[in-house]
Amino acid sequence: ETGVTQSPTHLIKTRGQQVTLRCSSQSGHNTVSWYQQALGQGPQFIFQYYREEENGRGNFPPRFSGLQFPNYSSELNVNALELDDSALYLCASSSPQGATKNIQYFGAGTRLSVL
Amino acid sequence: AQSVTQPDIHITVSEGASLELRCNYSYGATPYLFWYVQSPGQGLQLLLKYFSGDTLVQGIKGFEAEFKRSQSSFNLRKPSVHWSDAAEYFCAATAGNNRKLIWGLGTSLAVNP
Repeated sequence: ETGVTQSPTHLIKTRGQQVTLRCSSQSGHNTVSWYQQALGQGPQFIFQYYREEENGRGNFPPRFSGLQFPNYSSELNVNALELDDSALYLCASSSPQGATKNIQYFGAGTRLSVL
Repeated sequence: AQSVTQPDIHITVSEGASLELRCNYSYGATPYLFWYVQSPGQGLQLLLKYFSGDTLVQGIKGFEAEFKRSQSSFNLRKPSVHWSDAAEYFCAATAGNNRKLIWGLGTSLAVNP
């Protein structure tokens, strides 16, 4: 079990609403990445935050936004929810140095359902 | 374009049988390669990784994988499968300082008693 925690576990929203998902990174990790995993698919990279700055973004529209805080925890915000946003949202933390360099450790995810 | 391919969507094996899950990658240079496992309702757990060096890498839960540059492959193996190995297996890759992981579609493993 990793030290990455995500909240909430499950969430139900309606189309057009906004949602915030939260992630606490593993101790000592200053990098957080977010992925979207649709049912039956592999995860898709949304974006990454390193030391509170966005450090790469995947092919997701601007209504997907994020934050990283000084304690390296992170939020994923999605505005104007669409039905296709229903997915498992995964957070991963990593460190750019040390024995676990370049290894991403994942939380259990937040299951978002958009009705 | 960078990509990871897992040719087998679903595999069923008998308990005690050997297992090989295939993974092929397409990158400009040799990427860092990973295998993760996902049980129902769970996040992704790292099984093993390849960065460089010895092309046969050992992981947790008795899994190993072999990197073959000539075939652009990183296949996962286990000599004797246990019922608890039933899960979804994902191969992923990242290149250099780009820590974005690119994933295969996954292989669903079922284990018959």
